[in-house]
Amino acid sequence: GAGVSQSPSNKVTEKGKDVELRCDPISGHTALYWYRQSLGQGLEFLIYFQGNSAPDKSGLPSDRFSAERTGGSVSTLTIQRTQQEDSAVYLCASSLYGPDTQYFGPGTRLTVL
Amino acid sequence: AQTVTQSQPEMSVQEAETVTLSCTYDTSESDYYLFWYKQPPSRQMILVIRQEAYKQQNATENRFSVNFQKAAKSFSLKISDSQLGDAAMYFCAFRAGGTSYGKLTFGQGTILTVHP
Repeated sequence: GAGVSQSPSNKVTEKGKDVELRCDPISGHTALYWYRQSLGQGLEFLIYFQGNSAPDKSGLPSDRFSAERTGGSVSTLTIQRTQQEDSAVYLCASSLYGPDTQYFGPGTRLTVL
Repeated sequence: AQTVTQSQPEMSVQEAETVTLSCTYDTSESDYYLFWYKQPPSRQMILVIRQEAYKQQNATENRFSVNFQKAAKSFSLKISDSQLGDAAMYFCAFRAGGTSYGKLTFGQGTILTVHP
């Protein structure tokens, strides 16, 4: 079956602009995670969704970052007023249920000029 | 909070040889899971192997095996009969057990080069 997909694959934006990153999890997976991979910070957890609710948002680095999930499926990560330090690869993962094995998407590489 | 440390930024191995990647972790949890993920240039993280902390037996998956030393908080990955397709970044990851979800804490990664 189809794996986790993310779009766009690459995004280049100017400092101060807003961006939206999309994640389509594996069909039927109830849990969805966002992680960020950057040179300085490595791989770090951002947010966890169970269904449409986000019980753990503890990894979001600032209030410029927000995420939502609709219909228990697609999730969008929004970064407002992007800064150069937001440049990173944003990875999405899904699992059948909370503690189950996570399957990752190919990521979105965000470059903020 | 838990931490995961991979002390080898880069490793290399000859094709068909064996290589071991190191990982140590720190946690106060008694119930947890450990993972090795592979990230090729395509960026997609692929699960290589998983170990439950309550299991004494080391996990194996074909050419991949782990040496899990719970008291030492060490979790190394051995790749036998290395293949060119094994070249990638490898991440060690930790997940606390007894929770309703699987937030992962990753190490810094080890770049593995396989020489023909």
